[in-house]
Amino acid sequence: NAGVTQTPKFRILKIGQSMTLQCAQDMNHNYMYWYRQDPGMGLKLIYYSVGAGITDKGEVPNGYNVSRSTTEDFPLRLELAAPSQTSVYFCASSYNENGQKNIQYFGAGTRLSVL
Amino acid sequence: GEDVEQSLFLSVREGDSSVINCTYTDSSSTYLYWYKQEPGAGLQLLTYIFSNMDMKQDQRLTVLLNKKDKHLSLRIADTQTGDSAIYFCAETSDMGRRALTFGSGTRLQVQP
Repeated sequence: NAGVTQTPKFRILKIGQSMTLQCAQDMNHNYMYWYRQDPGMGLKLIYYSVGAGITDKGEVPNGYNVSRSTTEDFPLRLELAAPSQTSVYFCASSYNENGQKNIQYFGAGTRLSVL
Repeated sequence: GEDVEQSLFLSVREGDSSVINCTYTDSSSTYLYWYKQEPGAGLQLLTYIFSNMDMKQDQRLTVLLNKKDKHLSLRIADTQTGDSAIYFCAETSDMGRRALTFGSGTRLQVQP
């Protein structure tokens, strides 16, 4: 029962490099999210998706791109990495519940350092 | 905009009760959540409460909600060393996005 799987677990990038953080869920959830967690802070929403082919910006989307070609996968792309993108990145998914109940399931995170 | 605030740190002795507090500003919040994050891991949902409830109990966990004061608390009875973690309060802030707004987290340290 895998849940939400993120790869890689750790990565070091040089300034200006690019990379894709992978996220996959096997729960047939239609909602998926990318958050970043800076030290001593809560999670901030980068991008989210309400279904395949539909994505939208969150609070802090600058410097990132996403795509959602399938229900299962929601990769996050960093172009021209900057030191400000050093953070821990979490992917999450949830059911489309009635009302506002939104039980999100999280991956284990990707720790990214940009030097 | 929405805001969720928590105290940063709590230290208790094993066997004592822990109470972690949270305040939020969005009066339209309908669900509030408590997540637990162990070192090097993702967030795990502990419990949640609907806004028309005052209290919810689940084994050692008790959630109290004061909607008038926009105050949420999590009580852990008989706290164990395995409860040491960061606890995040969150609320559902936007119907369309169904995203969560998180507090900064409270680090709970349980001393033997």
